[in-house]
Amino acid sequence: NAGVTQTPKFRILKIGQSMTLQCAQDMNHNYMYWYRQDPGMGLKLIYYSVGAGITDKGEVPNGYNVSRSTTEDFPLRLELAAPSQTSVYFCASSYGLSGSTDTQYFGPGTRLTVL
Amino acid sequence: DQQVKQNSPSLSVQEGRISILNCDYTNSMFDYFLWYKKYPAEGPTFLISISSIKDKNEDGRFTVFLNKSAKHLSLHIVPSQPGDSAVYFCAASEYQGGSEKLVFGKGTKLTVNP
Repeated sequence: NAGVTQTPKFRILKIGQSMTLQCAQDMNHNYMYWYRQDPGMGLKLIYYSVGAGITDKGEVPNGYNVSRSTTEDFPLRLELAAPSQTSVYFCASSYGLSGSTDTQYFGPGTRLTVL
Repeated sequence: DQQVKQNSPSLSVQEGRISILNCDYTNSMFDYFLWYKKYPAEGPTFLISISSIKDKNEDGRFTVFLNKSAKHLSLHIVPSQPGDSAVYFCAASEYQGGSEKLVFGKGTKLTVNP
């Protein structure tokens, strides 16, 4: 099991460019999440998905879009990149136990710089 | 408006001694609490959790204590080892609407000196 994989590891974007951060998991998890971590801060939820075809906003969704066409993949799209989106992005997944909290498994992160 | 607070950005302890990491929360609807550990250039990894119906959970060298009346939890590591040096995030969960979302604190960087 590779667990949760993310590509790329690093990326530098110019203001106004767009890109897609890739996330895949091979644990057959229903739930997937995208977080961002700014320096000295905790992780903040951007978007999440409870299954293929279902996505919902988290705490900081502005400037991002997601899709979930398969159970395995959960790409995060940045349109019109801004310096405020400079951050480390983490993808996570979990089984999604009904009525309870279960462990989220995180990918290694993508470090994005917008100049 | 932080719902989960880790007021100590860093903590330094000697190998073999106890490490105590603290976390406070404001939302009384949180029903599950987790600690994640993060090494540089890696994603967070789950360490230990506790349900709001318990006041203690133990897993080897790691114990989490929950004081609901004080809205406070702590992670104890005994004995501390150099490999425990990492950033520790406290997270809280509220299950609502068929899904659960985690709210993270800012983290505490633990350094265990040999």
